Amino acid sequence: NAGVMQNPRHLVRRRGQEARLRCSPMKGHSHVYWYRQLPEEGLKFMVYLQKENIIDESGMPKERFSAEFPKEGPSILRIQQVVRGDSAAYFCASSSLSQDGYTFGSGTRLTVV
Amino acid sequence: GQQLNQSPQSMFIQEGEDVSMNCTSSSIFNTWLWYKQDPGEGPVLLIALYKAGELTSNGRLTAQFGITRKDSFLNISASIPSDVGIYFCAEQNAGGTSYGKLTFGQGTILTVHP
Repeated sequence: NAGVMQNPRHLVRRRGQEARLRCSPMKGHSHVYWYRQLPEEGLKFMVYLQKENIIDESGMPKERFSAEFPKEGPSILRIQQVVRGDSAAYFCASSSLSQDGYTFGSGTRLTVV
Repeated sequence: GQQLNQSPQSMFIQEGEDVSMNCTSSSIFNTWLWYKQDPGEGPVLLIALYKAGELTSNGRLTAQFGITRKDSFLNISASIPSDVGIYFCAEQNAGGTSYGKLTFGQGTILTVHP
């Protein structure tokens, strides 16, 4: 029974490139959340998605960031034209509606050089 | 927005000692969650609290939901080296379009010396 799978674990991008982060939720989970963690800080909410729908994107920067959770396949967090300030750990979590305190993946550590 | 203040920021203790950390908020919460994050990993849920005054244990861990619903503490008894990590409190949004959204505290970094 696999947990939340995120890939890649580490991603290095040059300034101006695009970063694509993938998250496969736990089997049976239809709710996906993305969080960002800067060094020595807590996690900050970015976006909440259900299949084919963005429910709450109040934590997403207005520009360059987008997220999707298609009917088939993983959820994708996409960052266009990355800048050094985008360097962080990005965590995905999934839950079923009845579950509290959902399950996190191991994260993708993005480094922009 | 909601603010969670977690203290202390860091703790250095000897193996076998007890540890206590707490969180306070500016708002009334319906749910308190405590997570542990190991280096290079995602947070793992330790304890969930749902009612004011609730005291819950999980092995050597004990957490309480404050009576005012604005605070919570986490105790670790007889610490061992594998307790090292970052401990986060969090509040979970209970309804509306942001159902399930978590707001995290700043974290407490725990170091245990053998």
